[in-house]
Amino acid sequence: DQQVKQNSPSLSVQEGRISILNCDYTNSMFDYFLWYKKYPAEGPTFLISISSIKDKNEDGRFTVFLNKSAKHLSLHIVPSQPGDSAVYFCAAGTYKYIFGTGTRLKVLA
Amino acid sequence: DAGVTQSPTHLIKTRGQQVTLRCSPKSGHDTVSWYQQALGQGPQFIFQYYEEEERQRGNFPDRFSGHQFPNYSSELNVNALLLGDSALYLCASSFPDRGWNTEAFFGQGTRLTVV
Repeated sequence: DQQVKQNSPSLSVQEGRISILNCDYTNSMFDYFLWYKKYPAEGPTFLISISSIKDKNEDGRFTVFLNKSAKHLSLHIVPSQPGDSAVYFCAAGTYKYIFGTGTRLKVLA
Repeated sequence: DAGVTQSPTHLIKTRGQQVTLRCSPKSGHDTVSWYQQALGQGPQFIFQYYEEEERQRGNFPDRFSGHQFPNYSSELNVNALLLGDSALYLCASSFPDRGWNTEAFFGQGTRLTVV
């Protein structure tokens, strides 16, 4: 049973525009959520996180939104840059993380 | 400041053999977790070590075992390798000084191929 789902395997966005990556989860006990970015041949790199007591967290071009009632979180990247092209994973949990299957973002120059 | 380092980067083993993967955590981190990432999937939690003990375990068979040393480095051992064990094995370290809700930092992974 997939507790964390990323239903879009891929996304293409023009440089300078907004990228929105989505993630759904099923376990209402999750209280910490994270986004990681992964380039080929590298390990995942931490981007941004959010605690369940918040509904928004910003860090530069990256903003994560959490909708607990819908069990949904999203990552907004504004403006998108070609260097943002990578696979993005959302993760949830405490002590251990449950990861989604990832969304491959391609930012077109 | 060195991040999380893993060795080796690539490994080829034969079915039935045993393998040991190694991880050095980021400086100052005392908690090490291991994940398995199969092709096209997200990382799956294997287990976590804290204070040299296994603290949490995911849904993996006993063929997967680990160890944490006093310097916080860690090993992942897999016995009786199966073809399905072929994957990228990721080590992540963290320092839960703010409670357990804290980001983990990943190494570059060990690509294990079982033939």
